[in-house]
Amino acid sequence: QSALTQPASVSGSPGQSITISCTGTSSDVGGYNYVSWYQHHPGTAPKVMIYDVSNRPSGVSNRFSGSKSGNTASLTISGLQAEDEADYYCSSYTSSSTLVFGGGTKLTVL
Amino acid sequence: QVQLVESGGGEVQPGTSLRLSCEASGFTFSRYGMHWVRQAPGKGLEWMAIMSSDGNKKYYVDSVKGRFTISRDNSKSTLYLQMNSLRLEDTAVYYCATDYCTSPSCYTLDYWGQGTLVTVSS
Repeated sequence: QSALTQPASVSGSPGQSITISCTGTSSDVGGYNYVSWYQHHPGTAPKVMIYDVSNRPSGVSNRFSGSKSGNTASLTISGLQAEDEADYYCSSYTSSSTLVFGGGTKLTVL
Repeated sequence: QVQLVESGGGEVQPGTSLRLSCEASGFTFSRYGMHWVRQAPGKGLEWMAIMSSDGNKKYYVDSVKGRFTISRDNSKSTLYLQMNSLRLEDTAVYYCATDYCTSPSCYTLDYWGQGTLVTVSS
């Protein structure tokens, strides 16, 4: 049950697009379409932004999109806004019927 | 609106026990699987456990198997986490969260509580 691998930090200017990767194995990311992405502003509850690889819950901006190729999932945020600055975590269902998170990525909007 | 309120955190010594509670309201608690997640100071999110909506299935992360027990009382709309043999590394904010789907769970965490802090210190 090793954590999924995410870059520690990414940054971008307002209006730009950024992509955060999330790499696992065939026992988690690669084996199931149960990858989710969460936005976490410190001191608040995390918020799901993407579920089932590429689906957006109602109310989430269409600037957020998700995809997967093999053992790597990705979150893309287009048209970066200052309010997007937060920590982002991916998660995946695993073959052990458990859930595993990525280590988290700090997004800085320059 | 959906509300999840955790309680039961505090400062304890290594080797002791603590029981966390998560009181739910604003939705039909008995229809949803429930999760516990923790975040140690300065660290990322770590998933702890899930219990199915009917309580018949539960799964844990390896690091707490045999020490932590997840349970629920659907009549009280409350989720619990019994934590035994606590270690220094169990120090964290503990969150409960609903699954996004009704049974079976889809392992997407939808609504989260604000968390309760557990500090294990000698």
